[in-house]
Amino acid sequence: AQSVTQLGSHVSVSEGALVLLRCNYSSSVPPYLFWYVQYPNQGLQLLLKYTSAATLVKGINGFEAEFKKSETSFHLTKPSAHMSDAAEYFCAVIEGQAGTALIFGKGTTLSVSS
Amino acid sequence: EPEVTQTPSHQVTQMGQEVILRCVPISNHLYFYWYRQILGQKVEFLVSFYNNEISEKSEIFDDQFSVERPDGSNFTLKIRSTKLEDSAMYFCASTRFRDDGYTFGSGTRLTVV
Repeated sequence: AQSVTQLGSHVSVSEGALVLLRCNYSSSVPPYLFWYVQYPNQGLQLLLKYTSAATLVKGINGFEAEFKKSETSFHLTKPSAHMSDAAEYFCAVIEGQAGTALIFGKGTTLSVSS
Repeated sequence: EPEVTQTPSHQVTQMGQEVILRCVPISNHLYFYWYRQILGQKVEFLVSFYNNEISEKSEIFDDQFSVERPDGSNFTLKIRSTKLEDSAMYFCASTRFRDDGYTFGSGTRLTVV
């Protein structure tokens, strides 16, 4: 069965610092992986996705993620945090083409201080 | 950019009452989903719908839940007899390709009192 684990329910960084949000997946077949962002009182917005093409995926708002099969990881990074990046971030997985619906991790709250 | 539209944005209902949450997916999308998020918790899958039938459902989606696509544009979630624990944000999503990223609506906040 597929699942994702997000390490750290809360991450705090200073404005301008590196953002690193961790996600590890468990899947018996090659997964499709996604990062979503949720701003307060809003819906879920797709940041980026990995669907077996390039392992380094670039998304919106300067975020990127790297698929590492050997580490079963798909960590989200941004070189320089902005105050506007403060939000809830969710890693999610679909277990390949025959897989089930999108399954979310528990989420990581990102706080950015000035 | 095309959007998934959900109505109402907030609904308050008494325990035991029936509620219908409405969604208008993106017009050329083929797969439709309902998710829920209890306050402070993870986003949970409820049901997926394709070709006018349920393709997958979670353990949460029991007999009190049902989904319909009554016409070519709307996609509804009905909860027959609401319980206090049904209070949550309900998100509708759609996608054209099954393994593509989903587009989510802004959600309906359901409060059962």
